[in-house]
Amino acid sequence: GNSVTQMEGPVTLSEEAFLTINCTYTATGYPSLFWYVQYPGEGLQLLLKATKADDKGSNKGFEATYRKETTSFHLEKGSVQVSDSAVYFCALSTGNQFYFGTGTSLTVIP
Amino acid sequence: EAGVAQSPRYKIIEKRQSVAFWCNPISGHATLYWYQQILGQGPKLLIQFQNNGVVDDSQLPKDRFSAERLKGVDSTLKIQPAKLEDSAVYLCASSFQRGQADTQYFGPGTRLTVL
Repeated sequence: GNSVTQMEGPVTLSEEAFLTINCTYTATGYPSLFWYVQYPGEGLQLLLKATKADDKGSNKGFEATYRKETTSFHLEKGSVQVSDSAVYFCALSTGNQFYFGTGTSLTVIP
Repeated sequence: EAGVAQSPRYKIIEKRQSVAFWCNPISGHATLYWYQQILGQGPKLLIQFQNNGVVDDSQLPKDRFSAERLKGVDSTLKIQPAKLEDSAVYLCASSFQRGQADTQYFGPGTRLTVL
């Protein structure tokens, strides 16, 4: 079946550190892949997405590349800020079904 | 542009009682989703509507959960009777189309506590 596995947290980084949150997936066919973010006290919102192999999604300094050969969609940012503190969810869509990972909590300290 | 609206924001009930949640999607969005998010887990899709028709409800516990979207706009999710394990945040989301790559826009959620 389809599923998403993402790195467990919580993750604590100092400001300007490099961030990687791992995400791997299992899917039949060719799903679309997403990263959603939930800031404290707010609802889930799309951070970035990729719809086919080798696509790179990017937004707000975050990037993720759809790697079909490794079934991965790791989230990266070169220099995190305190304002990036949030919970990050990896997700996949097959059109009829949508699967989320368990979320990774990130705290960035000054 | 107004976002996805949900009410109530919080609800506390006792087991075996009934509860209903309401969602109003973004204007013009044809597809509406209900998710259940248990503490410490990712959202789990319960049901998906395209206009007023059900696209997928394979994860909906139909013995106690029901949902409707009668006029293709707002939607109601009901639990009757509630169990302790139904304690969760219920999220509503909408998207313009039902495409695989379409962005979903989420409401703030309703936090349900079943005692």
